[in-house]
Amino acid sequence: KAGVTQTPRYLIKTRGQQVTLSCSPISGHRSVSWYQQTPGQGLQFLFEYFSETQRNKGNFPGRFSGRQFSNSRSEMNVSTLELGDSALYLCASSPGQGAGDTEAFFGQGTRLTVV
Amino acid sequence: GESVGLHLPTLSVQEGDNSIINCAYSNSASDYFIWYKQESGKGPQFIIDIRSNMDKRQGQRVTVLLNKTVKHLSLQIAATQPGDSAVYFCAEKRIPWSSASKIIFGSGTRLSIRP
Repeated sequence: KAGVTQTPRYLIKTRGQQVTLSCSPISGHRSVSWYQQTPGQGLQFLFEYFSETQRNKGNFPGRFSGRQFSNSRSEMNVSTLELGDSALYLCASSPGQGAGDTEAFFGQGTRLTVV
Repeated sequence: GESVGLHLPTLSVQEGDNSIINCAYSNSASDYFIWYKQESGKGPQFIIDIRSNMDKRQGQRVTVLLNKTVKHLSLQIAATQPGDSAVYFCAEKRIPWSSASKIIFGSGTRLSIRP
């Protein structure tokens, strides 16, 4: 069973640009969550998508957005990049429903550097 | 506000000894507490979880203890091996029956193994 796949693995962008990151969840998983990881703030929840709908959202500005497709693949977009957006962006997939749905499977992440 | 996972930042353990990683939390409304392991260059990996109505749960070489009275969570790793070197995060998750869920991560403890 293939794991969670994130592309690209590494990305360098310039301030003011926008970026799109992609995540393919484990087959059969309908929930995709996105997290930002930085040395200073740790792992912070961005948003969760389930069946193409955003179910939950963290405390990030509107420059951070996402979407989910009918095959459960998800993309997140960051517009007007700032230096502080440099981070490891992690995607996690899970079945998405049921009280026992605690195990989220993470991808290796996309390392975004803003210069 | 939400707060989970006040960790000691580093822990050094002799190979073969038992490791105990501690975590304090503040939110009594959490449904599940979860431990993740993150190795260098990889995304977090699920280790074990415990439901909030339990005190102890055991897995392979790992035991999680939950003390709700003092809002304390610990992960015990038996016979620590070099492959256990990683950053360990405690996290919480709330799973309302009809709504979304998200994982809130603590700051993490870096476990180093001395040969």
